[in-house]
Parts: sequence; C-alpha cells; structure tokens
Amino acid sequence: AQSVTQLGSHVSVSEGALVLLRCNYSSSVPPYLFWYVQYPNQGLQLLLKYTSAATLVKGINGFEAEFKKSETSFHLTKPSAHMSDAAEYFCAVSDLEGGSEKLVFGKGTKLTVNP
Amino acid sequence: ETGVTQSPTHLIKTRGQQVTLRCSSQSGHNTVSWYQQALGQGPQFIFQYYREEENGRGNFPPRFSGLQFPNYSSELNVNALELDDSALYLCASSWGLNSPLHFGNGTRLTVT
Repeated sequence: AQSVTQLGSHVSVSEGALVLLRCNYSSSVPPYLFWYVQYPNQGLQLLLKYTSAATLVKGINGFEAEFKKSETSFHLTKPSAHMSDAAEYFCAVSDLEGGSEKLVFGKGTKLTVNP
Repeated sequence: ETGVTQSPTHLIKTRGQQVTLRCSSQSGHNTVSWYQQALGQGPQFIFQYYREEENGRGNFPPRFSGLQFPNYSSELNVNALELDDSALYLCASSWGLNSPLHFGNGTRLTVT
C-alpha cells in the first residue's frame, strides 16, 4: 500500500522567506502525487498534482514541487512566503488498490508565517 | 459552476446514536468519495461511489455506510456512534476516476 510521510508537523517562516515543506512517499509503482492546502474550517484545495509528465510541477499561488524518484520525495516550495499562505498543507499519493482510486494523505504540516 | 456542498456544517450527537451526512457533488461530477479527518490528522478514505455503486472502501467498519443517488449526490450514514467518530467528514467529487478531487468544506461531527 502507498504511504506518505510529511517531515515536520509545524513549520514557521518569516514573511518573504522561502517556504519548504517536506514529503516522502512510499510507492511500488510510479505514483500520482498531490499537495493540498486546508485553511481553517474549510475543505481541501488542490495546489498541484504530479502525473509523471514533468518532474517540476507548478501549482497555484506561486507554489511548486519537484518529484525526485531517487529520493522518493515530493517537497513543496514557494520562494517568498505571504501572510495568506498560513494554513495546513497535506501531501497525498494516489492508491489504486482494490480498483478504486483513493488518496492516502500524510498527517499534514501547519505553516505559520510571521510578519 | 456550483462546488461541492455538505450539510450540516456542524453536528453534535450522543454515543450510540445514528447520523446522516449529506453531500451535493459539483455539477457534472459522477464520483463521490468520503474522508474522515480526525483532529490533527490527515484525511482517511472511507469509501467511494461511482455511478451509484460503491467502488472501494477503506478500513472502516460496516456501521459506516453510504449511498449515491441518481443526481450523484451522496449520503454517509454512521450507526452506533462512538466517541472516536468525532471528526471532520469531507466529501469530494470528481468526474470519473483519476481526475482531481474537489472537496467540500466538511461536516464537523462531535460525539459526546
């Protein structure tokens, strides 16, 4: 079964600083990988998706992620943090086990942006 | 385009009771998935419905059941509620399999 591990349950950065949120996956086949963002009292919003077309994936709100097969990683980055980026971020892998497509999520990383 | 809507937004139930949560999928979507998100955790897959049939189930007991209607809206039913069922329940719709999931804002269930 697929799994993801997000390193760091909390990350704190200053406004304007680089954002780096870490995700490692475990997959026996080439995976589909996702990053979602969750704002307080809201559902999940898709930031970006990796489907093997390109290793560097650009998403919304200036975020991007790089798929590194040798490191089994899919880290999320943003060059310059904005106050509005404060939220919880979830990495997920698509699992087709059993014939249905389900997402297997990491435990999440809460991003705090300090002024 | 109407997004995924869930009702109610909040619910308080007593242990042993039954609850029904509702989800209206995004226009044009025929697949609905339900996830449970416990406090401080990532969402966990409960089950998926595709064209009114269950199309996969996660590691949840049979007291978690669901339905999908001809208009592709869906219900999640939980019987014999337990304290550990307290969580945010998320519904997500998509057009078929392998397409992006669109999540609703969830229903916050508290079991006392």
